[in-house]
Amino acid sequence: DGGITQSPKYLFRKEGQNVTLSCEQNLNHDAMYWYRQDPGQGLRLIYYSQIVNDFQKGDIAEGYSVSREKKESFPLTVTSAQKNPTAFYLCASSMVWQVSSYEQYFGPGTRLTVT
Amino acid sequence: GDSVTQMEGPVTLSEEAFLTINCTYTATGYPSLFWYVQYPGEGLQLLLKATKADDKGSNKGFEATYRKETTSFHLEKGSVQVSDSAVYFCALSIYNFNKFYFGSGTKLNVKP
Repeated sequence: DGGITQSPKYLFRKEGQNVTLSCEQNLNHDAMYWYRQDPGQGLRLIYYSQIVNDFQKGDIAEGYSVSREKKESFPLTVTSAQKNPTAFYLCASSMVWQVSSYEQYFGPGTRLTVT
Repeated sequence: GDSVTQMEGPVTLSEEAFLTINCTYTATGYPSLFWYVQYPGEGLQLLLKATKADDKGSNKGFEATYRKETTSFHLEKGSVQVSDSAVYFCALSIYNFNKFYFGSGTKLNVKP
């Protein structure tokens, strides 16, 4: 079955530590995205990538970093510079350059708790 | 700029009641419109979509019609079930731009 996997589902870290969240897709999608969701709130875009070795900042990129070395992988690092990292993180992917709409497909999410 | 506004929740209904969740949008281009559903602790799942004016998206008894004249994409269901309890997100994307704009989400609670 094609889809997006995120691991781990729950992640706990101490303040001051960097942590990397995994996102892998086998949908052969070109574009990948990272969102942050806080309790009772909508999604905020952190970073997105339309092609391998290229990515753009979203609305709340400060304190985060990404890489896109392979088409199927888009890991997100939450650095110690992120002031309030505890949140639910969602990875998504979509096709690019289709004539029709290109909906985003989402992974199951990683809940990060930093204490 | 491009944006989506949806009604605030929570919306609480009894089973078999009629559901409407309002969604309006602002777009500089010609958007595609989507409804996503999120169950507790999970990612978002695409519920339905519409890509041009007057298109009706439908799935699992839910419907939404792309109204360009009112810039709206309201979600409706004739008879909700307890299992429909979730958070619903309206979203738009501009063709060839690869960026989505999500509404803030509307929580639906359906009581037996």
